[in-house]
Amino acid sequence: GAVVSQHPSRVICKSGTSVKIECRSLDFQATTMFWYRQFPKQSLMLMATSNEGSKATYEQGVEKDKFLINHASLTLSTLTVTSAHPEDSSFYICSARDNSGRVKYNEQFFGPGTRLTVL
Amino acid sequence: KQEVTQIPAALSVPEGENLVLNCSFTDSAIYNLQWFRQDPGKGLTSLLLIQSSQREQTSGRLNASLDKSSGRSTLYIAASQPGDSATYLCAVKGDKIIFGKGTRLHILP
Repeated sequence: GAVVSQHPSRVICKSGTSVKIECRSLDFQATTMFWYRQFPKQSLMLMATSNEGSKATYEQGVEKDKFLINHASLTLSTLTVTSAHPEDSSFYICSARDNSGRVKYNEQFFGPGTRLTVL
Repeated sequence: KQEVTQIPAALSVPEGENLVLNCSFTDSAIYNLQWFRQDPGKGLTSLLLIQSSQREQTSGRLNASLDKSSGRSTLYIAASQPGDSATYLCAVKGDKIIFGKGTRLHILP
């Protein structure tokens, strides 16, 4: 099946710094990628939809200037948490949609997640 | 606005028992419903995906059903094992994928 990777898997940073998380589709091209956030014992919440070559679409309540998304190629999307604060500590998961038609029903494939801890 | 609810929030059962996890959703206009497994601190493992035109899917000891008109899905786990302990998430896909909060399952050895 299709594989999506994330890097890093875990990051600890100081308050006020910026952190970049990468999401890669390893064996397929993804014109659309999605970023989710999950707080402890909570559901995954969609943050934004990342479209290759265009601006991301952010969900209501998600600050686009704080969570910068770049989808510069068909296999890579990045999420940068700018001026991170302790309340940004969370589990960030990306997913990628295979639009090639190779996979039935344009299924989304999920990455393993990145645990961000802001001190 | 689509809302996905999973009941129960947590469940503990002895090893070997069969069990059912429930998922309900408010908007029946969905493309598919997917069940995932999530181990603590880990990502998602897709278990079963049911298209809106389908009624059920089976994989090994797992069987998922979908009743779109009533907004319900169940995940049936047969002959539970300690390795089945995890959080099980239900997600429905309309114009977006909406997740439930999950059911934390603990299988007692």
